[in-house]
Parts: sequence; C-alpha cells; structure tokens
Amino acid sequence: EAGVAQSPRYKIIEKRQSVAFWCNPISGHATLYWYQQILGQGPKLLIQFQNNGVVDDSQLPKDRFSAERLKGVDSTLKIQPAKLEDSAVYLCASSLNHFSGTGRYEQYFGPGTRLTVT
Amino acid sequence: AQSVTQLGSHVSVSEGALVLLRCNYSSSVPPYLFWYVQYPNQGLQLLLKYTTGATLVKGINGFEAEFKKSETSFHLTKPSAHMSDAAEYFCAVPSGAGGTSYGKLTFGQGTILTVHP
Repeated sequence: EAGVAQSPRYKIIEKRQSVAFWCNPISGHATLYWYQQILGQGPKLLIQFQNNGVVDDSQLPKDRFSAERLKGVDSTLKIQPAKLEDSAVYLCASSLNHFSGTGRYEQYFGPGTRLTVT
Repeated sequence: AQSVTQLGSHVSVSEGALVLLRCNYSSSVPPYLFWYVQYPNQGLQLLLKYTTGATLVKGINGFEAEFKKSETSFHLTKPSAHMSDAAEYFCAVPSGAGGTSYGKLTFGQGTILTVHP
C-alpha cells in the first residue's frame, strides 16, 4: 500500500512570495489533514477535509493560507504572501474517515515539506 | 479542551537502557490516548494507542505504555533502547470532548530521544 505522498520535500522562498504544497493521500482515505509543525513543537492542525468538503479550518490563517481538495483526492495548500513565521514543516495526513470508531484517530502522515522563508 | 504535556523535551539514554518518556493529559473523562513517533525527515507514525480495556498497551518496536487514570498519565516505555529508537515522540489526545473532535488530535510538544552507544 502506497503511503501519503507530498511534494516538494524542501522549499526556500523570500518573504512576500507565494508557495504551494501538494498532497496525495492513501487510496480510499476520505479524511485529509494539513498540519503545521514549527521547530520544537508538535503538529498543529490547519485544515481538515472529508472528501472534498472542509470539516474544520478554524486554525487556518485565511488571510494568507488557502487549501483545496477539489476531487476529494489530492489536495494543495497555498501560502500567499509568505511571512518569516511561516517557516515550518507542513505535514499532510489521511485517515479512513473521521466519523466513528477509534480508527478515525489513526492518521497516516506523509514525509512533510520543509519551508524556509527568508 | 483536552491537552497533553510531555515532560522533558530531550531524553538521552545508553543503548540497552530503559526508555521512559512521560506524558500527562488533562481531561475529566477517560480519553483515547496515542503515541506517535517521528524519525528524522519523516512524517509521524502511530506507535500505539489506548482506547478502552487493558490499561497496558503494547505497540510496535517493543514499546508499551500504561494508562493510569489516577495519575492522568500515559508514559511510554521500552525495556532496552536500541540505536534505531532515536527519534522524536509525540503524545496525543482527541481535540474535542467526547465524540466531537471528528478525528482531530492535539499533540504534545514532543520529546527527542537520543540513544548513545
């Protein structure tokens, strides 16, 4: 079974530039998460999708961050314009569903994209 | 909101020594509890989970954790450390009360485990 794929693995940009990250979840996983992991901290949820609908985006800085999952499979996360404090690892995770059972907490993570904003 | 606290951002042990990583949770009800591991330059991987039933939970790679309600703790242990255990470990709980978190997790700040030869 193929895992969660993310690209690019590394990205360096200057502040005020834009950047996009791509995620392909495990086949059949309806729920997709984007996390921000700042150095020395645990992952913080940015947005959660169920199929192509948003379940929770309460922690997403919507003035500069956007995300979509148009066909309920792949997802992109965009930052425009980037700030220095956006330097972090952006993790994508997926799970079968988020509705019931303890399996909804068993999330499968991709390797992440390390973003450096200079 | 539920939260977790991991005591010690760095733990260093010798190969073959006992590994103990501490996690305390804040909750008024018995929660689900999880430990995830992150190897260098990789995403997180589920190590073990407590849901209901037996309070001693066994996970992958010889790790286990014990749920202690009286102490609100879920410490992770391994009897004998191996060099390959060097990684960052995260304790996690569902973000909302009861069944309202819809799969969302709140992670602790992480503990980096270093294993010396």
